[in-house]
Amino acid sequence: DIQMTQSPASLSASLGETVTIQCRASEDIYSGLAWYQQKPGKSPQLLIYGASSLQDGVPSRFSGSGSGTQYSLKISSMQTEDEGVYFCQQGLKYPYTFGAGTKLELK
Amino acid sequence: QVQLKESGPGLVQPSQTLSLTCTVSGFSLTSYSVHWVRQHSGKSLEWMGRMWSDGDTSYNSAFTSRLSISRDTSKSQVFLKMNSLQTEDTGTYYCARNNGYFDFWGPGTMVTVSS
Repeated sequence: DIQMTQSPASLSASLGETVTIQCRASEDIYSGLAWYQQKPGKSPQLLIYGASSLQDGVPSRFSGSGSGTQYSLKISSMQTEDEGVYFCQQGLKYPYTFGAGTKLELK
Repeated sequence: QVQLKESGPGLVQPSQTLSLTCTVSGFSLTSYSVHWVRQHSGKSLEWMGRMWSDGDTSYNSAFTSRLSISRDTSKSQVFLKMNSLQTEDTGTYYCARNNGYFDFWGPGTMVTVSS
């Protein structure tokens, strides 16, 4: 199975601050990567797919980049509503696998 | 609009069988695949298996021989059955539509395995 390693496990950011979350795959996943945001008591919501494509309706302050085994999610200006847990997921091979999550809090 | 909703028993006894239903609307099961994903409390997400648009299924080997996914297209429902439940199967179970990625999710249903 492809292992997905996310870092950091948690972070806090101030309003307007730029936030970056990293995700590393155990093998090349050829940009087959998605990012999800999950808020307490809610289901995950797709933010980014194909490593860098923004899902419809997602604010443009979210962006994704990377290739091969290294990927990142950037929030260009932290907002209150961005608090939550962020997961990466590889969609290249079954079984699909997720990172352990990064908990983002407002400082 | 696209919606998915999971339903099933909140409590299952150890060694018993879990049966969940995912009812979808706003899209056809013959056009999109529907997957099941599990989440232990406060933990990461675990892909369990999927029902493809043509009726084919595939499963995470971590659940092989315990898990079965089926569907009723006339009712727009996808079913999950998992037997020999243990306490470590406690968690929230989601069904999600896959359009390359999981673009729509149900709200999830909490399952507790306890006697």
